Amino acid sequence: QQQVKQSPQSLIVQKGGISIINCAYENTAFDYFPWYQQFPGKGPALLIAIRPDVSEKKEGRFTISFNKSAKQFSLHIMDSQPGDSATYFCAAWGNKLVFGAGTILRVKS
Amino acid sequence: DAGVIQSPRHEVTEMGQEVTLRCKPISGHDYLFWYRQTMMRGLELLIYFNNNVPIDDSGMPEDRFSAKMPNASFSTLKIQPSEPRDSAVYFCASSLSGNGNTIYFGEGSWLTVV
Repeated sequence: QQQVKQSPQSLIVQKGGISIINCAYENTAFDYFPWYQQFPGKGPALLIAIRPDVSEKKEGRFTISFNKSAKQFSLHIMDSQPGDSATYFCAAWGNKLVFGAGTILRVKS
Repeated sequence: DAGVIQSPRHEVTEMGQEVTLRCKPISGHDYLFWYRQTMMRGLELLIYFNNNVPIDDSGMPEDRFSAKMPNASFSTLKIQPSEPRDSAVYFCASSLSGNGNTIYFGEGSWLTVV
């Protein structure tokens, strides 16, 4: 039972382009939505996070957009770089952290 | 800070053997989580502890899996007997006061059961 649905499964973007990853949730009890970045052989690392009372949060080239009424949120990576190539997970926190299925991002140089 | 420390990093074992994975959380963190990652099922929460007490073990796949946290600085995840389908990366993570924004993951224990 997947509580957070993530798309696409994989994404190829040219260097300098915008990478967009989308997530949707059903449980309105979730009150915190982090994004994690995972490189091969490493554990997931917190990238950026947002609370449902905020519609957008930006940190450097990374932006989360949050639509509470639609129960959707997305990660935008501006000016994507080859070093951004990794697997990205959206997640939602209620009383525990549940993850989306992940998106494998490849940025072509 | 040293971060979450897991051992072993890699383990290859034969089916039927006992496997013990170890975790040292970040000092001061009062929540500890065990996750399993596979290609088919992604990241699954197996169990988590608060102040060394198991709070939710609903993700533990079956009785062959057990987890303990004897003190604030150490936890184990044991699989006995191990089966090939247990092959996965097992992550330990810790958090301060269960707040989602402070969950830090270790680098994982890569388990292969042959």
